[in-house]
Parts: sequence; C-alpha cells; structure tokens
Amino acid sequence: DAKTTQPPSMDCAEGRAANLPCNHSTISGNEYVYWYRQIHSQGPQYIIHGLKNNETNEMASLIITEDRKSSTLILPHATLRDTAVYYCIVRPNTGTASKLTFGTGTRLQVTL
Amino acid sequence: NAGVTQTPKFQVLKTGQSMTLQCAQDMNHEYMSWYRQDPGMGLRLIHYSVGAGITDQGEVPNGYNVSRSTTEDFPLRLLSAAPSQTSVYFCASSYRQGKETQYFGPGTRLLVL
Repeated sequence: DAKTTQPPSMDCAEGRAANLPCNHSTISGNEYVYWYRQIHSQGPQYIIHGLKNNETNEMASLIITEDRKSSTLILPHATLRDTAVYYCIVRPNTGTASKLTFGTGTRLQVTL
Repeated sequence: NAGVTQTPKFQVLKTGQSMTLQCAQDMNHEYMSWYRQDPGMGLRLIHYSVGAGITDQGEVPNGYNVSRSTTEDFPLRLLSAAPSQTSVYFCASSYRQGKETQYFGPGTRLLVL
C-alpha cells in the first residue's frame, strides 16, 4: 500500500474551513484515498473516500489532484467537535478489506 | 443497530494472566479486524478475518489469538499478558471485500502490570 505524508498538526478557527493536506506520491492506479478521524479516546470514524474525482458528503469534501499524488480534506465550517486526529489512508479497491494502514495523522485543533 | 460493540471497556491484568477481549457486530459484516493503538501512534493491525472460519495475521500478531466461529463475533485472546501489551484495542468491521468503509468499536483499554 502507498505511504502517506501529513502535517503533524493544524489549527483552525471555528466557523472557518479546515483544509487538511495529504501527500501520496506513490499511489497506484487501483488505490483509493480514504479519510478517517479519531476524536479523543474514541474509535476511528470514516469520513470520505475517493479514487480520482472530487467527492462530497455531509461531513466533508475530498479534493484529489489530477495526478492523484496528493489530496485535501475540506471541513467547510469547522466546529469545536471537529477537533480530532485525521488520518489519510490509501488502499487498493480489491484484496483484504480489513487492512487499513494508519499513520500518525494530523491533529486538528479547532479554536474559538 | 448497535454497530460494533466491545467489552470490557477497561481491564487491568497481571503479567502472565490470560483474557479475552470481546467484539461483536450486528451489521452482518463479513470482515472484522483487531487493531492496537499505543500513545502517539497510529493503529496497528493485529489479526483480521474475511469471514466465519477464516482468520489471518496482521502486522503485530505475536501474543494474540483469534477465532471466528460466527459472523457476528470476533474475540481476541491474550494468552499470557505482558506489559508490552498495554494498549487500547479497537475492533472494526466492514461489509465486504474491496473499498468498503470500516466501522470501529469504542475500544478496550488494557493495562498489564
């Protein structure tokens, strides 16, 4: 599975958009980009995933560059409850679904 | 649906003791897995199962056993607990192979003295 690189921490003011970058320069053609988050002491929570097109759901938007070597997770109006560690993961769309390789993620702190 | 449930929430063991961490899901998911998370680190895969009767090792399987006799349950057994197994353990499940998302349980915090 491709490795990912994320900044260790970011701050965002409440109500502003939070843009979390992820570099995955060695991504393969069959690998999806997934985003999970982990709020303190809880289990990870799925946010969004995509292959090459931009994706949006009720929680966030995912922007993937045309060469697929990087992506950005966008929380359009961050709230204090969005304070969490955000993990960017790449994995193939075939094979063992159970294998998610978590790195150390980005710790997002949303402040008043 | 209750989703993914784990018991116990907290456990303290002495070195050498054995115990079973329970994990159950009511979503009819084929895939289940166990992760451990140590302070300041990401999750590491211990064991996983692609269906009832089938299990396989993940990244850090030593000291742990699993079995999958039913679709719903995926217990994790510590055979002889060691202080190095002090961690937070998460169970996860997903519907089927491929790009399915995983649902995580609330975790079990284990302290081995």
